[in-house]
Parts: sequence; structure tokens; C-alpha cells
Amino acid sequence: EVQLLESGGGLVQPGGSLRLSCAASGFTFNNYAMSWVRQAPGKGLEWVSGISNSGGSTFYADSVKGRFTISRDNSKNTLYLQMNSLRAEDTAIYYCAKGHVGGSTVRFDYWGQGTLVTVSS
Amino acid sequence: EIVLTQSPGTLSLSPGEGATLSCRASQSINNNYLAWYQQKYGQAPRLLIYGASSRATGIPDRFSGSGSGTDFTLTISRLEPEDFAVYYCQQYGSSPPLTFGGGTKVEIK
Repeated sequence: EVQLLESGGGLVQPGGSLRLSCAASGFTFNNYAMSWVRQAPGKGLEWVSGISNSGGSTFYADSVKGRFTISRDNSKNTLYLQMNSLRAEDTAIYYCAKGHVGGSTVRFDYWGQGTLVTVSS
Repeated sequence: EIVLTQSPGTLSLSPGEGATLSCRASQSINNNYLAWYQQKYGQAPRLLIYGASSRATGIPDRFSGSGSGTDFTLTISRLEPEDFAVYYCQQYGSSPPLTFGGGTKVEIK
């Protein structure tokens, strides 16, 4: 059974940093691309960042480029999102999502339950 | 970046009725790589349809997808109580950014 378990969310002040983690199990992690998708309160889904199966290619939405860094540790079956210079508009539930293949153009066949990030003073 | 526009924003229907949801893309989606997701309140999204018309594993056959190019449709033939939710389309035919539509809420009339 595929499982994706996010952690690391919480309350942070504007300008602060946070690191999200997503522990994966139930599939061969290093065969699949992974992404972070967020959802602001009462809003729709927004793709934030993606990483290829090897970690060699990374991609970002313009809204987070230069502030967020996605990475993965295939030996630990874990995906990360380092978030710096956080803004109020980054407040959202952050979902870890598994791509259906290893490359960049993916649909998401499994999702975690999400971790809430709140940016507020 | 491909922009996806979903309509209507909200659909008010009764159980047993059919639902037709639209997703229009700002440019043609390569290989019709268009997916549909269902999100119930307080839950993560769930993949329903991929490749515009293929049902994901375990999805009932009352859900069907159609369309090509820039115009896509999700049809629910007979709404069950558990189908009242928000539905999103997503394109994955072009290099990132991957994009989602704004969503259509299917609510009980």
C-alpha cells in the first residue's frame, strides 16, 4: 500500500523558514517523480515544485522560485521542501504527491494527507 | 504556462442526476495529458481520470472523461451521495509548471 506522510508544518513568522518532509513507503521511491502541491484556505490546488526520480531535475512555480528548494533522499525514501523567506501568501496545506513516472510531466496517482503551514506574526 | 479554466464554478444537483463539468485549456494539451481529481472536504485529492478518458484504479464507471486538444469534460452519469465534492482538472502535457484548473464544486441541491 502506497503511503505518503508529510511532517514539518507549523506556525512561522513572515521572513522565517520551515522544512517539510514526506516519508514514502509501499513503492519503489527512486522510480518516480515527486511534487509538492499546496492549497490555501478555501482555495484551489497550486503546484509548487517537482523533482525527477533521480533528483537531477527540479522545477518550481514562479511564486516560490528562489525561496523554496525541493530535494529528495532516495536512500531514506524521503522528499523535502526547504521554504525560506516565507510570506503570508504561502499559508496553505502542503501535499506531497507521487508522480506516475519518473520525469517532469506527471499526473499524481497518490497524495499524502497534507501538512499545514501558517505564516503569521 | 497552460491556463485551465473550469466551468461552472458550482453545480447544484440532486442525487441520481447527471453532472457535466468542463475544463478548457489556453492552448492544446499534448497527447491529451489531462487528469481529473476529486477532493472531498478535509481530504486529499484523489485521481479519477487520466489521459483525458482513462479511469484510475478503483474508480466507478459512472465517472467518464472525454475531450481533446483544448476542451475536456468530466461526466458523472448518476450522482451518488459520496460524489458531492470539488473536482479539479490538471494538465501534464507540457514541462512544468504543471497547472490545475480552479475547480468545480458539485453540491447537493
